[in-house]
Amino acid sequence: DTGVSQNPRHKITKRGQNVTFRCDPISEHNRLYWYRQTLGQGPEFLTYFQNEAQLEKSRLLSDRFSAERPKGSFSTLEIQRTEQGDSAMYLCASSLAAGGSYEQYFGPGTRLTVT
Amino acid sequence: GESVGLHLPTLSVQEGDNSIINCAYSNSASDYFIWYKQESGKGPQFIIDIRSNMDKRQGQRVTVLLNKTVKHLSLQIAATQPGDSAVYFCAEIRGAQKLVFGQGTRLTINP
Repeated sequence: DTGVSQNPRHKITKRGQNVTFRCDPISEHNRLYWYRQTLGQGPEFLTYFQNEAQLEKSRLLSDRFSAERPKGSFSTLEIQRTEQGDSAMYLCASSLAAGGSYEQYFGPGTRLTVT
Repeated sequence: GESVGLHLPTLSVQEGDNSIINCAYSNSASDYFIWYKQESGKGPQFIIDIRSNMDKRQGQRVTVLLNKTVKHLSLQIAATQPGDSAVYFCAEIRGAQKLVFGQGTRLTINP
């Protein structure tokens, strides 16, 4: 399978703990995005990278959230001191910024439950 | 703020009938829209896109119509099949980077 992969698929954590999610994009894609989706809602943009540079961050991304893409390939999203309101599906997407196409390919997501 | 939204949260159709899912947007400068399908437990899957210089685009069993005058787009699915059951989102590209999604319409296919 050469699509976007995310790990873990599910994470249950206690409030106050730190969690880290990983995203492996499609190999030739230079852009990588993180979105958050709560039940019954559409995904909301969090941040995106072009290669290793983080070019935009949403106001939704509080100081407790940090994302990295150190070598321009996989990315990690860390949430520190988790709160119950962080419970959501965290989606990663990737795209190839070329030829005027903006199609983003999504991974299966990591479902976070904070108890 | 400006948003992308959908008219109905749920839609039920008979298998074999055509489905029409509607979406309204508020930003008249929007120039690129995408329809995504999301099945339970999966990430959104690209269906079809359309640019603002077009008013219609067709794919396999799907057609997207864009009416810039009333800032409305629709997704038509022909001969709906059980596998079409999912939540459908319209999304707008902003700044050539991020997607702004509407709330979604849950499509249910009745046998």
